[in-house]
Amino acid sequence: GAGVSQSPSNKVTEKGKDVELRCDPISGHTALYWYRQSLGQGLEFLIYFQGNSAPDKSGLPSDRFSAERTGGSVSTLTIQRTQQEDSAVYLCASARERGEQYFGPGTRLTVT
Amino acid sequence: RKEVEQDPGPFNVPEGATVAFNCTYSNSASQSFFWYRQDCRKEPKLLMSVYSSGNEDGRFTAQLNRASQYISLLIRDSKLSDSATYLCVVEAGGSYIPTFGRGTSLIVHP
Repeated sequence: GAGVSQSPSNKVTEKGKDVELRCDPISGHTALYWYRQSLGQGLEFLIYFQGNSAPDKSGLPSDRFSAERTGGSVSTLTIQRTQQEDSAVYLCASARERGEQYFGPGTRLTVT
Repeated sequence: RKEVEQDPGPFNVPEGATVAFNCTYSNSASQSFFWYRQDCRKEPKLLMSVYSSGNEDGRFTAQLNRASQYISLLIRDSKLSDSATYLCVVEAGGSYIPTFGRGTSLIVHP
């Protein structure tokens, strides 16, 4: 069956621009997570959605980061006024409720 | 102390060897445990869940030691294709936010 998909796969943007990253989770998965991973580093949790509940935004590094999940399915992570330190791979994962997560291929963001 | 700690390695082993990784966690309320593997420049993929009774899948065996707060992964008869980074993941009871370890790098050579 279809896995988690993310778009774009690569994004190069200029410092100060806004970017939107998209995640399509596995159908039927109610839990959706966003992480970022810098080169050679571990996964950094950003935000968690579970069904129609309010998201857990405790991992967002600044108010330049926001995310929404429409209709309990597709999610968009938005980074405003990008900075060079935002350069990383942004990974989305989905799960049935919690527990075993299935990751998308990620979006590699480069801020120049 | 970090919530989830792993020896970063790399573990450099010949084909056919048996290798084991440990992962320690600090939150005694942790309830769910997983191992993922991540190939270079790829996304993490679930390898196996770790149950209280242990879990075996072919050449891979995972164990949980609640008393000492660690989980382990044993790989028997290593293959070249096992070369990857192995991530330990811990979820505390009542929290839906998993904590990932930094990973242990395994290199299997001919």
